Amino acid sequence: RKEVEQDPGPFNVPEGATVAFNCTYSNSASQSFFWYRQDCRKEPKLLMSVYSSGNEDGRFTAQLNRASQYISLLIRDSKLSDSATYLCVVNIDGMRFGAGTRLTVKP
Amino acid sequence: EAEVAQSPRYKITEKSQAVAFWCDPISGHATLYWYRQILGQGPELLVQFQDESVVDDSQLPKDRFSAERLKGVDSTLKIQPAELGDSAMYLCASSLERRTEAFFGQGTRLTVV
Repeated sequence: RKEVEQDPGPFNVPEGATVAFNCTYSNSASQSFFWYRQDCRKEPKLLMSVYSSGNEDGRFTAQLNRASQYISLLIRDSKLSDSATYLCVVNIDGMRFGAGTRLTVKP
Repeated sequence: EAEVAQSPRYKITEKSQAVAFWCDPISGHATLYWYRQILGQGPELLVQFQDESVVDDSQLPKDRFSAERLKGVDSTLKIQPAELGDSAMYLCASSLERRTEAFFGQGTRLTVV
């Protein structure tokens, strides 16, 4: 079983839509959690950390359920500029990446 | 803004040749990672350093890949000999310590012909 598994995607949504990405992890000893964004042929960049209480940054909301070993990212009011691959990251004394879910937001 | 520096940005090499990549992490960052990313997939960890020590190289193909971080600062990843299947993006990242977020360099895109 992979350490980090994500929705395979791709997701194609219209502008203004709400989209949710899901991620599960296998190691219950995982210590910290993140979402990264990666544009085509660019390096991954930190989008947000994920906290147990859930956290929000503008249109982005991240949730963590340690009991279910599940992480989610919700994007509200999607913009064209949100088109990218979203990577779920779990830290187990080091950063482990999921395969990513590609999002395309269309006019 | 502090950045992770990588060179070269692009490298084309013939199979069976040696190739090396260099990474200079953000100053003060103790943890350094090398990842390999094939188009359409997530970054795959090759090796993780804590200062000058390797803490995880379980996915590093040690028959042909080597990595070092001699003074606990910059790092080199080497492939000898390169194979066609090594064509990928090689990403270096650093973090203040093991449990904190990592920051990436722009990567080296390797093409083996």
